[in-house]
Amino acid sequence: GENVEQHPSTLSVQEGDSAVIKCTYSDSASNYFPWYKQELGKRPQLIIDIRSNVGEKKDQRIAVTLNKTAKHFSLHITETQPEDSAVYFCAASMSVDYKLSFGAGTTVTVRA
Amino acid sequence: DTAVSQTPKYLVTQMGNDKSIKCEQNLGHDTMYWYKQDSKKFLKIMFSYNNKELIINETVPNRFSPKSPDKAHLNLHINSLELGDSAVYFCASSRDRGYTFGSGTRLTVV
Repeated sequence: GENVEQHPSTLSVQEGDSAVIKCTYSDSASNYFPWYKQELGKRPQLIIDIRSNVGEKKDQRIAVTLNKTAKHFSLHITETQPEDSAVYFCAASMSVDYKLSFGAGTTVTVRA
Repeated sequence: DTAVSQTPKYLVTQMGNDKSIKCEQNLGHDTMYWYKQDSKKFLKIMFSYNNKELIINETVPNRFSPKSPDKAHLNLHINSLELGDSAVYFCASSRDRGYTFGSGTRLTVV
């Protein structure tokens, strides 16, 4: 089955700096890669996703890049703010309506 | 008008008991899931249903039995609860674009 690895496990950044989280996946059949943000005690929420026919996608301060050949994808957050502090999960799936295999999560702390 | 709602939010019970968690979605989604989030925050799929039909059963002990009476509901019944079942259980649904998760049920087995 699919195996998703995520790094780093924790990330501390100064407010205003950028944060980058990297994931690799094992199954070349995977073609859907969402990212979720989970604040303490809350549910995971979809923040951005990318499909395999696209190399990069941007939504305001958040961007994702995908390298299908190397089987890795990354989340970039620019101009970080305290409200960006949360656990971020990457995931991979063969389809948008199929099971997601999640990475282990990255705890991001934005220092004011 | 919560999109995916789960009840109860918290559940504390003794080992050996049987308990159920309910999930309902009002998004008109076709696919529903149960995920388990352990103490290290790892999210792992347990079951997936599409239009009331079981499509994924991810090597979960048969003490766990999902039921989907209709495509808007997916319940989870757990028999003979064990200490290792303590976790947060998330229901989710999807259709074409990502998952919408419920608020989770924190199960504590004592």
